[in-house]
Amino acid sequence: QMQLQESGPGLVNPSETLSLTCTVSGVSIRSSPYYWGWIRQPPGKGLEWIGNMFYSGSTYYNPSLKSRVTISIDTSKNQFSLKMTSVTAADTAVYYCARDVAKRGSGSYAWFDPWGQGTQVTVSA
Amino acid sequence: QSVVTQPPSTSGTPGQRVTISCSGSSSNVGSNYVYWYQQLPGTAPKLLIYNYNQRPSGVPDRFSGSKSGTSASLAISGLRSEDEADYYCAAWDDSLSGPVFGGGTKLTVL
Repeated sequence: QMQLQESGPGLVNPSETLSLTCTVSGVSIRSSPYYWGWIRQPPGKGLEWIGNMFYSGSTYYNPSLKSRVTISIDTSKNQFSLKMTSVTAADTAVYYCARDVAKRGSGSYAWFDPWGQGTQVTVSA
Repeated sequence: QSVVTQPPSTSGTPGQRVTISCSGSSSNVGSNYVYWYQQLPGTAPKLLIYNYNQRPSGVPDRFSGSKSGTSASLAISGLRSEDEADYYCAAWDDSLSGPVFGGGTKLTVL
């Protein structure tokens, strides 16, 4: 059974870099033709897609965050990671990683299943 | 503010049928598949409906999805107390080149 688990600091100083890792178990990232994605949920608000990475390395980001976000994959550890630079209080949220079943091009679609349990990140001095 | 709109809240009594609407545009709901997620209190979202009206294994057939034009709906029949949760719709957005989520609807079972 596939499971995902986020990890990383719960508190980040403003203007610094947020770094999170998602560990995947039950399936090999290297051999799975899926995207691996990040979604966040600010307190009391809805969900926002951050970006994703195809298992072979292609990355796609939400245009509103693209300049600050990098997603990478470490197939040796079966993990993928999120880095977000120059964070502010507006980046305070629960961050989720998820398998992203997506298709780009004609007839594009994307759904997320399963999700990690989420990790709270607070940006504050 | 999300480009896909949902009512902030709705409610129903046990056994009742409730529907949750999801309104978008021709660049998202109107031209692409719609997905629904259920987020129980304090937990991560869970996929409820995919490709308009398909249910993942384990999701009861009390949940169903539909779409007409640039709007979609989630229907829950035989409402149960454990259905009390936040529900989010989502769709691919051609302008964003990525998925967009609705703002979410909080369902209260009275």
